[in-house]
Amino acid sequence: GAGVSQSPSNKVTEKGKDVELRCDPISGHTALYWYRQSLGQGLEFLIYFQGNSAPDKSGLPSDRFSAERTGGSVSTLTIQRTQQEDSAVYLCASRPDRGGSPLHFGNGTRLTVT
Amino acid sequence: SQQGEEDPQALSIQEGENATMNCSYKTSINNLQWYRQNSGRGLVHLILIRSNEREKHSGRLRVTLDTSKKSSSLLITASRAADTASYFCATDEHGSGNTGKLIFGQGTTLQVKP
Repeated sequence: GAGVSQSPSNKVTEKGKDVELRCDPISGHTALYWYRQSLGQGLEFLIYFQGNSAPDKSGLPSDRFSAERTGGSVSTLTIQRTQQEDSAVYLCASRPDRGGSPLHFGNGTRLTVT
Repeated sequence: SQQGEEDPQALSIQEGENATMNCSYKTSINNLQWYRQNSGRGLVHLILIRSNEREKHSGRLRVTLDTSKKSSSLLITASRAADTASYFCATDEHGSGNTGKLIFGQGTTLQVKP
């Protein structure tokens, strides 16, 4: 079946512009995660959605970052007034329940801020 | 903040040798998971071990968990060039909220030379 889909796969933007990154999770997966991965580094947790509960935003690095999940499915990560340090790969993952099951990852969006 | 810490950061071995990677974590967990990431791709789940399990096998993979030491190890036996990738541990945090937030370590980069 279809996996987690992220778009665009690559995004180059100028410093100061806003960007939107999209994630289509696997159908029926109630939990959705966003992570950020800088070159050669581990995954930095950003935000986590679980069903209709309030999202866990504890990993968002600044108020320039926000995320929505509409209808319990598609999610959009928005970065306002992008900075060069925002350059990274943004990974989305989903899983079917609250815990105890593996994450399914998309291939990520590579963001480059010039 | 990152929960898991892997060591070594990088490992280079010859095909046919065994590769061992270690992961330490800080808080109580429900389970610990290992993932693999090929260059430029998303992460792929390898194996999950629950907090009440001590050892688990899957093909050439062997995972151990020592909750008293808050550590886990991943052993890949009879390595192949195709095993070249980065490997990450991730912990499903356990707490009063049981949020299901999955925290990743910094990863071990494994190179298997043919």
